[in-house]
Amino acid sequence: KQEVTQIPAALSVPEGENLVLNCSFTDSAIYNLQWFRQDPGKGLTSLLLIQSSQREQTSGRLNASLDKSSGRSTLYIAASQPGDSATYLCAGLNTGGFKTIFGAGTRLFVKA
Amino acid sequence: DAGVTQSPTHLIKTRGQQVTLRCSPKSGHDTVSWYQQALGQGPQFIFQYYEEEERQRGNFPDRFSGHQYPNYSSELNVNALLLGDSALYLCASSLGPLELAGELFFGEGSRLTVL
Repeated sequence: KQEVTQIPAALSVPEGENLVLNCSFTDSAIYNLQWFRQDPGKGLTSLLLIQSSQREQTSGRLNASLDKSSGRSTLYIAASQPGDSATYLCAGLNTGGFKTIFGAGTRLFVKA
Repeated sequence: DAGVTQSPTHLIKTRGQQVTLRCSPKSGHDTVSWYQQALGQGPQFIFQYYEEEERQRGNFPDRFSGHQYPNYSSELNVNALLLGDSALYLCASSLGPLELAGELFFGEGSRLTVL
C-alpha cells in the first residue's frame, strides 16, 4: 500500500531564503509525482508534474526532482517570498490501481 | 480558458440527509476525479469517472456515489450523511484516464458541514 510522507510538517523561514521540501513514498511503482500549492480554504494549484521517466522539472523559482529508486521527491524554492506562504502537497500516481495518493502537506510561512 | 468549477462552494446539512456536489472539468478534459480533504490532512481519493463510468475507487463506502454526463461534467452524491463526512470535497480533471498520468487540475472545492 502506497504511503506518502512529507517532511517537515511546518516550516517558517525569513524572506529570501532558499528552501527544500521533502516528499517520500513507500512504493517506487509510480507513474508520476505532482506538487501542488494550497492556500487556506482553497483548492489545489498545480505547480510541477514529473513523469516516471523524468528526473526533474523547473518552473520559475521552483524545481522539483524525483528519485524513484530512493522513493523521494524534493521541491526546491529559490529566494522565497511572503506570497509563497501556503501548504505544499505532493501526490504520487500509483501504477497499481491508478489512484493518486497525497501526503499531508508542508505548511510554509515566509516572514517579510 | 475555464478552469475546473465546482458548486456549491459551501453547504450545511444535518445527519442522515443526502447531498449532491457538482463539477465541470477544465475545457478539453474528459476525466473527473473526486477527493475528500479533512482539515489538516491531504486529499483522499474517492473515485474517478471516465467515459461516464466509474473507473477507480478509493476506500469509501457505497454511500458515496457519482455520475458523469456526456459533456464530462460530474456529480458526487453522499447519502445518509455522518458527522465525519464534514470536509472539503475537491474535484480534479485531467485529459484521459488516470493511467495516462496526465496533470491534475483542481477546482476550489465544496465545503460540506454536517451538523
